[in-house]
Amino acid sequence: NAGVTQTPKFRVLKTGQSMTLLCAQDMNHEYMYWYRQDPGMGLRLIHYSVGEGTTAKGEVPDGYNVSRLKKQNFLLGLESAAPSQTSVYFCASSYGREDIQYFGAGTRLSVL
Amino acid sequence: AQKVTQAQTEISVVEKEDVTLDCVYETRDTTYYLFWYKQPPSGELVFLIRRNSFDEQNEISGRYSWNFQKSTSSFNFTITASQVVDSAVYFCALSDTGRRALTFGSGTRLQVQP
Repeated sequence: NAGVTQTPKFRVLKTGQSMTLLCAQDMNHEYMYWYRQDPGMGLRLIHYSVGEGTTAKGEVPDGYNVSRLKKQNFLLGLESAAPSQTSVYFCASSYGREDIQYFGAGTRLSVL
Repeated sequence: AQKVTQAQTEISVVEKEDVTLDCVYETRDTTYYLFWYKQPPSGELVFLIRRNSFDEQNEISGRYSWNFQKSTSSFNFTITASQVVDSAVYFCALSDTGRRALTFGSGTRLQVQP
């Protein structure tokens, strides 16, 4: 009963490096989301997907790209990491727009 | 634009006290959903409750209760007889029909002292 699984859990990058965060869900959900959490700011939506092969921008999309090639996976890429991208990243999934979102355990990313 | 305000940044209570977490929202939608999530020190986000805009009936679940008032755009959450395990950050969130995602408040950190 995995739910939403994020990998990796922790990562340290140097400025300019690239990386991909993987989110996998086993609940057959259509909707998937990437949020970032910064102190005192709650969670802010980066990108989201309403189904396989679709993606859309959220509130803070700059510096990130996403792909949803398979229904169960949602990838978040950082092409050239910047210190401002130091944050905790959460993936979530849901059946529909107004349904309960189930979250992964988070990825703590530090960019030096 | 949609907005969720949690004015209480941090609350500290002693075990067994009752505590209410405030949430005020703004939306132009006539149909919307409100949520509360809990984030314990371990970091994961745990769903607590979802309420739609047509259902103003307040709910009690064990030591938790929710007070939804559409007239004041508030969706408050009360913990009765708080326990140390209730210590966490609590987030209120609003469904966002424009972006098809949730708009979160900034969270309220609850510290329950033994």
